[in-house]
Amino acid sequence: GAGVSQSPRYKVAKRGQDVALRCDPISGHVSLFWYQQALGQGPEFLTYFQNEAQLDKSGLPSDRFFAERPEGSVSTLKIQRTQQEDSAVYLCASSRIIAGYTDTQYFGPGTRLTVL
Amino acid sequence: KQEVTQIPAALSVPEGENLVLNCSFTDSAIYNLQWFRQDPGKGLTSLLLIQSSQREQTSGRLNASLDKSSGRSTLYIAASQPGDSATYLCAVRRKKTSYDKVIFGPGTSLSVIP
Repeated sequence: GAGVSQSPRYKVAKRGQDVALRCDPISGHVSLFWYQQALGQGPEFLTYFQNEAQLDKSGLPSDRFFAERPEGSVSTLKIQRTQQEDSAVYLCASSRIIAGYTDTQYFGPGTRLTVL
Repeated sequence: KQEVTQIPAALSVPEGENLVLNCSFTDSAIYNLQWFRQDPGKGLTSLLLIQSSQREQTSGRLNASLDKSSGRSTLYIAASQPGDSATYLCAVRRKKTSYDKVIFGPGTSLSVIP
């Protein structure tokens, strides 16, 4: 595809609701990253996939956060029982792997989640 | 633990002025440093990437320098334009591995006044 796309672009959830955020990476990109960006802050790493394998989930803030990439392409970040502190922009990035090394990350526009 | 800071947090300049954005990192053992631009409601756009062995990179009116030993990088923007208004983020990558997370600074919000 032309770039990384994310949907929805905006999501408002009531506290306690479950939400699912989708990321469509650039076609052929092996690596996929999720980041959380709070207002006025830089993005913070959540989790990383190489193809369908989730190699690092050390940044997920709690067990309410779950990510998957079952076919090594589209990825979904799911947040269960949302809390107000989950309000943030969730960014997805994808990249190639060249000679075993991660190439430049290309970012999607993000999903702005607001939990009321 | 690697920490990245950026000064100033916000900057407002008149059009045409040259300006410098600063980025500092606590652990000098980095693989590369990257400057991004973020426009409201949009994702991040990579501007310049400096490998740890390099001192600077240039692209058009942008010049980024890296002093790994002191843990500092600067982004110089020449002849600023209103279209340069955005948030500028620096990010460091620790290792040259098949995967490695990137640590971002909090960003500098730039406003160029016509």
